[in-house]
Amino acid sequence: EAGVTQFPSHSVIEKGQTVTLRCDPISGHDNLYWYRRVMGKEIKFLLHFVKESKQDESGMPNNRFLAERTGGTYSTLKVQPAELEDSGVYFCASSREVGELFFGEGSRLTVL
Amino acid sequence: GNSVTQMEGPVTLSEEAFLTINCTYTATGYPSLFWYVQYPGEGLQLLLKATKADDKGSNKGFEATYRKETTSFHLEKGSVQVSDSAVYFCALIYSSARQLTFGSGTQLTVLP
Repeated sequence: EAGVTQFPSHSVIEKGQTVTLRCDPISGHDNLYWYRRVMGKEIKFLLHFVKESKQDESGMPNNRFLAERTGGTYSTLKVQPAELEDSGVYFCASSREVGELFFGEGSRLTVL
Repeated sequence: GNSVTQMEGPVTLSEEAFLTINCTYTATGYPSLFWYVQYPGEGLQLLLKATKADDKGSNKGFEATYRKETTSFHLEKGSVQVSDSAVYFCALIYSSARQLTFGSGTQLTVLP
């Protein structure tokens, strides 16, 4: 069974540009989560999808961040326009109805 | 709100040394507690967990005991190996919630 995959593994962009991160969850997992780790600090929750619906987006930092999960399969997280403080590692995780969260390797974003 | 505080790193040990990474939490009620590990180039993996007071989670020689009286979940291993070099994250979750609350992570390097 394939794990959670994320793309790209590393993205370097300039301030003001746009970046889109993608997450493919484990097949059959309805729950999909985005987390991020900024500046080596704690990993913080961004949002949670159940299928294509946003269950909880309380962790989204501002309206420069847009997450989608059309069709309830893969998800994208777009940052537009990117700022310096958005640099960090963005983790995606998926799970079944109740159970362990399986994380991807993360997408490292560097904003210059 | 809920929070997790873990020992700041980095931690550098020689092979076969004893490891302790401290973790304490602030939360109301009785969360489930976890240790996640991120090996170089890989995603976050669940290392061990405990769901109620006095439970001991164990895996790969690592152990942690859920101490309600001290609100702690310290990670220990009697004899570390070079392959244990990784970043370790303490985390908690309530059964009613779907968000993990993470600590800031502790980088462990084991030297041969």
